Amino acid sequence: QVQLVESGGGVVQPGRSLRLSCAASGFSLSFYGMHWVRQAPGKSLEWVAISSYDGTYKDYAESVKGRFTISRDNSDNMLYLQMSSLRVEDTAVYYCAKDVGIASTGCDSWGQGTLVTVSS
Amino acid sequence: DIQLTQSPSFLSASVGDRVTITCRASQGISSYLAWYQQNPGKAPKLLIYSASTLQSGVPSRFSGSGSGTEFTLTISSLQPEDFATYYCQQVQTYPLTFGPGTKVDIK
Repeated sequence: QVQLVESGGGVVQPGRSLRLSCAASGFSLSFYGMHWVRQAPGKSLEWVAISSYDGTYKDYAESVKGRFTISRDNSDNMLYLQMSSLRVEDTAVYYCAKDVGIASTGCDSWGQGTLVTVSS
Repeated sequence: DIQLTQSPSFLSASVGDRVTITCRASQGISSYLAWYQQNPGKAPKLLIYSASTLQSGVPSRFSGSGSGTEFTLTISSLQPEDFATYYCQQVQTYPLTFGPGTKVDIK
């Protein structure tokens, strides 16, 4: 069965970097677009980034553009989010999520989330 | 960016009630809309995609309709497990955006 497991969250000081990982199982990452979505405490969901099924297309929310980088290793079935120059407002639970298909029509599988806390 | 609004923000209802949540987009998005359910401390769950396509395994009491700028999610007969927060998401244009959410609580 499809499973996504995020890791790499933790407490980090403003300005520092962190890399999140998402291990996929039960399906081949090669056929699906993948997203990172975050949710600050008590807030709505915020889309962060997308990597197309083959990794050739990437896009980011304006709030993270230039600071975050999404990448994938289809051979290892892994998705990553490299976060740099972290800000207090980046504090959130970060989810990786799988597209229904090759094109983005919605995310039908989500990880359990990993909490990133940016604080001095 | 395409902005999404949801109404109401909060809804108090009883088991068995018919519930309707509206999502409006700041510009036309054809049928590129998804609906999610989220329980506290849990990941979102996809209910509907392409505005009206029921995700596999989702009970048929959930339905979606609309196109362009106005969309609705309907729960035909509210069940105890349906008390949660519901979000719409437009998937037509990047950056993808979510609505602010509608919390459905027990009356």
